[in-house]
Amino acid sequence: AQSVTQLGSHVSVSEGALVLLRCNYSSSVPPYLFWYVQYPNQGLQLLLKYTTGATLVKGINGFEAEFKKSETSFHLTKPSAHMSDAAEYFCAVRNFGNEKLTFGTGTRLTIIP
Amino acid sequence: SQTIHQWPATLVQPVGSPLSLECTVEGTSNPNLYWYRQAAGRGLQLLFYSVGIGQISSEVPQNLSASRPQDRQFILSSKKLLLSDSGFYLCAWSVRAPTNEKLFFGSGTQLSVL
Repeated sequence: AQSVTQLGSHVSVSEGALVLLRCNYSSSVPPYLFWYVQYPNQGLQLLLKYTTGATLVKGINGFEAEFKKSETSFHLTKPSAHMSDAAEYFCAVRNFGNEKLTFGTGTRLTIIP
Repeated sequence: SQTIHQWPATLVQPVGSPLSLECTVEGTSNPNLYWYRQAAGRGLQLLFYSVGIGQISSEVPQNLSASRPQDRQFILSSKKLLLSDSGFYLCAWSVRAPTNEKLFFGSGTQLSVL
């Protein structure tokens, strides 16, 4: 079975501050991990993904995430928040060869001017 | 390039009425297809997925059903809508496992059942 837990349904940061969105996963086999972003009234867009190899992955819009197997975590970070980063962010997990992608409950990111 | 179309964008339906949401994918063959529902504060819930024509897997028992009459068409239906069916419905596709690394989402349908 696979599952994802996102800590914090709402996160607020000041413009220019560090963004940290937390994600922990549960998987019986090595997982594929993803972060998606959703802007209001839109579908989801892939920010970044981890499959194999380097554990620090870089995505679009300056975001990056690090896969830490010992902590079963895949936290999303961005060094300096921008107003355009305000959106809802979803962490997701899929096991290799599995057809299903399981999402967390999402974290709404608000940027304070 | 591949595109996914989902319609309608918004829908207001009375309780007890039927539902049909349609999703089509272009530019790819034999995709996996998915229906997700997004309810406020509950994240994304996988409702159905399909790995081929006529092959539907249901993730949660509910008032909804799905069908895949053609390779790139996925339909979400209900015979009688409930208030609890309100939400934002997202269709998505991916290539087949094991290389199905990511989903591509449609723009969603906001369903309000009154």
